[in-house]
Amino acid sequence: GNSVTQMEGPVTLSEEAFLTINCTYTATGYPSLFWYVQYPGEGLQLLLKATKADDKGSNKGFEATYRKETTSFHLEKGSVQVSDSAVYFCALSDFGSSNTGKLIFGQGTTLQVKP
Amino acid sequence: NAGVTQTPKFQVLKTGQSMTLQCAQDMNHNSMYWYRQDPGMGLRLIYYSASEGTTDKGEVPNGYNVSRLNKREFSLRLESAAPSQTSVYFCASSVASEYEQYFGPGTRLTVT
Repeated sequence: GNSVTQMEGPVTLSEEAFLTINCTYTATGYPSLFWYVQYPGEGLQLLLKATKADDKGSNKGFEATYRKETTSFHLEKGSVQVSDSAVYFCALSDFGSSNTGKLIFGQGTTLQVKP
Repeated sequence: NAGVTQTPKFQVLKTGQSMTLQCAQDMNHNSMYWYRQDPGMGLRLIYYSASEGTTDKGEVPNGYNVSRLNKREFSLRLESAAPSQTSVYFCASSVASEYEQYFGPGTRLTVT
């Protein structure tokens, strides 16, 4: 079945460092891909998305490119801030045989940014 | 525009008690979802409602029931709570099944 695998955390970086969080997926068809962010004590917020191969999603300085050839959707940011400390979830829309469009999530990667 | 709201925010139950988690959205979305979040396991879908009047099981439906009361509201019921249902529960909604989902703030449930 469809699945999402994220790099294990926690990831600890200094402020202004470059961030990469790896995400790979297994899917039939052409799913949409998403990155969600969860700040402490809050629900998930959509960070960015891409709906087809080679699309680049971007928001708040974060970027991710839908790479069908490597089945990847890695999250990057050139210069992280303390306020970026959160848990990041990669997800894909799973249409499968029932066409529900439900999301399948990776296990989440905790990012801690130190001043 | 409140988005997706959930009540209560916190709840402690004893084994065998029942309760209903409430969820409402004011974005006129057609699809609604209930997830549970457990450490190291991401989010797992419990039930979803693709449109008003329909509900379907997700990945982990055992021990839960749902009601799509109207287009705005989607409730999750635990008939006889068990310690294994200790978790954080999130409700979400989307315009339709193929679009991104918007999440509520969550309900932290502890079953002792």
